[in-house]
Amino acid sequence: AQSVAQPEDQVNVAEGNPLTVKCTYSVSGNPYLFWYVQYPNRGLQFLLKYITGDNLVKGSYGFEAEFNKSQTSFHLKKPSALVSDSALYFCAVRDMRYGGATNKLIFGTGTLLAVQP
Amino acid sequence: EADIYQTPRYLVIGTGKKITLECSQTMGHDKMYWYQQDPGMELHLIHYSYGVNSTEKGDLSSESTVSRIRTEHFPLTLESARPSHTSQYLCASSPEPGNTIYFGEGSWLTVV
Repeated sequence: AQSVAQPEDQVNVAEGNPLTVKCTYSVSGNPYLFWYVQYPNRGLQFLLKYITGDNLVKGSYGFEAEFNKSQTSFHLKKPSALVSDSALYFCAVRDMRYGGATNKLIFGTGTLLAVQP
Repeated sequence: EADIYQTPRYLVIGTGKKITLECSQTMGHDKMYWYQQDPGMELHLIHYSYGVNSTEKGDLSSESTVSRIRTEHFPLTLESARPSHTSQYLCASSPEPGNTIYFGEGSWLTVV
């Protein structure tokens, strides 16, 4: 069965420190992986995606993510956290049923990132 | 980035009323989606459309219905709202398969 796991409900980090938000996936074939951020009372904003190529993907707002095929992981990282990064982060994988033609996403349960000043 | 517009952003409505949540996108994307999300919780796909006059139910059963008469427009309707329908509804769209799905700002529905 296809799935996405975000093992941490909440991640706490001090401003200026590096942050990591974890994501693991299970999907048939080559995965298409995404990270989205959601601020309070807002929709989801696209941060970055991995489809193929370099395992380190750079995205918006200084975020990056590392694809690790052997560990089936796609962790989100940032070298120096900002208070304004505090938000809910969702990892997602493309649903590969029907060859991925539907382009649906399977979302994780979300991780709340709290950056303390 | 796709421009996706959802109205209303916030709605409080009485039980039994009919409501329609509007969603429009200006990028000509074929695929459109409705997700339901309780506050701070995971997203559940409730409706999907891969083009004009094609709609499907999503993974989470919903009493709502949708229509896709025009490419840019994908409204969601609840014929008789109930308190259990209180949630955030997120509309999204994407171009060809494999491309990014873009989300609107969401519609917060409260049924009292």
